Amino acid sequence: AQSVTQLGSHVSVSEGALVLLRCNYSSSVPPYLFWYVQYPNQGLQLLLKYTSAATLVKGINGFEAEFKKSETSFHLTKPSAHMRDAAEYFCAVSVGTGGFKTIFGAGTRLFVKA
Amino acid sequence: DVKVTQSSRYLVKRTGEKVFLECVQDMDHENMFWYRQDPGLGLRLIYFSYDVKMKEKGDIPEGYSVSREKKERFSLILESASTNQTSMYLCASSNLDRGLSQPQHFGDGTRLSIL
Repeated sequence: AQSVTQLGSHVSVSEGALVLLRCNYSSSVPPYLFWYVQYPNQGLQLLLKYTSAATLVKGINGFEAEFKKSETSFHLTKPSAHMRDAAEYFCAVSVGTGGFKTIFGAGTRLFVKA
Repeated sequence: DVKVTQSSRYLVKRTGEKVFLECVQDMDHENMFWYRQDPGLGLRLIYFSYDVKMKEKGDIPEGYSVSREKKERFSLILESASTNQTSMYLCASSNLDRGLSQPQHFGDGTRLSIL
């Protein structure tokens, strides 16, 4: 069965520091992977998605993620954190046919210190 | 831009009431979803629909039902609200075409409190 594990429910970084949010997946078939961001009092919005075209995926707001099949990981990074990056981040894997179901991780809340 | 609109941002109801949460999307998406979001648990799928009048149970359907009479509208119904259904409810839609790579587009959520 497919699953997603996000390591760390909370991550705190200083402004300007590297952001690294960890995601590991379990899938019996090649996965489609996503990172979403949720700002306070809003729904989720797509940051980036992996669909096997390239292992390094660039998203919005300077984020990127690298698909590593050998490690079953899809970690999210950003070279320099900004205060506006403070939000909750969700890793997700798409399963089944027709895109009917997406399994979400439990989320990682990112805090950015001035 | 895709717009998914949930009818209420905040809702307070009493136990035993029948509660309706409405969701409308404007991009002609085939797939629509209802999730609940609770701290530490991420998003859990309640029901989804891939066509008008079609519905499928998600991971936690107990105590809920859904209705999809029109393609753009997907309603979540709490038949008899209970306090353990206090949560944030998120509606989403996605395009059926081109398989699994289509992301979901979310509404801003309804924070429901059952007293």
